[in-house]
Amino acid sequence: GAGVSQTPSNKVTEKGKYVELRCDPISGHTALYWYRQSLGQGPEFLIYFQGTGAADDSGLPNDRFFAVRPEGSVSTLKIQRTERGDSAVYLCASSLLTGREQYFGPGTRLTVT
Amino acid sequence: LAKTTQPISMDSYEGQEVNITCSHNNIATNDYITWYQQFPSQGPRFIIQGYKTKVTNEVASLFIPADRKSSTLSLPRVSLSDTAVYYCLVGAPLEAGSYQLTFGKGTKLSVIP
Repeated sequence: GAGVSQTPSNKVTEKGKYVELRCDPISGHTALYWYRQSLGQGPEFLIYFQGTGAADDSGLPNDRFFAVRPEGSVSTLKIQRTERGDSAVYLCASSLLTGREQYFGPGTRLTVT
Repeated sequence: LAKTTQPISMDSYEGQEVNITCSHNNIATNDYITWYQQFPSQGPRFIIQGYKTKVTNEVASLFIPADRKSSTLSLPRVSLSDTAVYYCLVGAPLEAGSYQLTFGKGTKLSVIP
């Protein structure tokens, strides 16, 4: 079956611009997670959704970052006033239930110039 | 969360057995040990999870000594396609409702023909 998909695969933007990154989880998975991975590092947790609500957004670095999941399926990670330090691969994962094995997408590589 | 320490990189020839050891001296009684694999330009993928002694699946084996302060991921007869970064994670088991995966820097395994 289809896995987790993320679009776009690559995004180049200028400092100060707004970007949206999309995640399509595996159908039927109620839990959705966003991670950020910098070069040479492991993924870093950002936010977790159970259904439509953000159950834990403690990993978001600051208020420029926001994520939504309005219908409990697709999620969008939104970054305002991008900075060069936001450059990273943004990974999305989903799981059938919270605490179950997480299935990761291929990520979106964001480059802020 | 218990901190983990693993080698930054390892090289192996095709067909050999590879053992990657992870130290987790401060592991808590309820913590499990989980390993993920990540190929370039892909998200991490769950390999194996265990609590004590030995766990084996179709991909790998996980050896955990009695004191649980370390663990060893064993990959039998590696091939070039096993070249990846391997992450050791310590935390609550999958079924406990935990959701925040904490990754370190991982071990970059390079398989040589």
